[in-house]
Amino acid sequence: QKEVEQNSGPLSVPEGAIASLNCTYSDRGSQSFFWYRQYSGKSPELIMSIYSNGDKEDGRFTAQLNKASQYVSLLIRDSQPSDSATYLCAVAHYGGSQGNLIFGKGTKLSVKP
Amino acid sequence: DTEVTQTPKHLVMGMTNKKSLKCEQHMGHRAMYWYKQKAKKPPELMFVYSYEKLSINESVPSRFSPECPNSSLLNLHLHALQPEDSALYLCASSQAQGLGLNTEAFFGQGTRLTVV
Repeated sequence: QKEVEQNSGPLSVPEGAIASLNCTYSDRGSQSFFWYRQYSGKSPELIMSIYSNGDKEDGRFTAQLNKASQYVSLLIRDSQPSDSATYLCAVAHYGGSQGNLIFGKGTKLSVKP
Repeated sequence: DTEVTQTPKHLVMGMTNKKSLKCEQHMGHRAMYWYKQKAKKPPELMFVYSYEKLSINESVPSRFSPECPNSSLLNLHLHALQPEDSALYLCASSQAQGLGLNTEAFFGQGTRLTVV
């Protein structure tokens, strides 16, 4: 069974701090990794994608991938109250010519003013 | 433009009703998806269409019937639903499905379905 694991939280950080969100996955064949942000009652919004080992930065967000350890993380610098949401880690699994996203259960982030 | 449009935003239906959810994208994406999301749970994949053909059906009950009339449209026909089917139904699309890097999936705003 292919699994994606995240701490459910809640993760609480003060405004301006760095929030660190972690995700592990079970399928070594996974090739594509995504972070989605979901506000309560809203749909998931893609914020980062990463495909190769190392870091990828986009504004205040940095995604980190370590395929050997089957680990992907998201760092949010200078956290703002508007970053308070559930963050979903998603991993694309490919079987034959098909692919689909497998989601973790999400980590709820709370940024306190 | 990464817009996926879903209609309606909210739907209340009885267990004997027939209704349809609609999804539209104009990004030229060739893979489209239906997900179901219950409260405080992650999205669960229901169906995948690739190049207008159904490629994945995750053992979804037959009371849910997907349809892909063309490369921009995706429908989900609902019939004889149960109260436990109440959930947020999400449509997503991606440039392609399968091996490669063009697999970023973008979600619509969802349809909040309540079955009474």
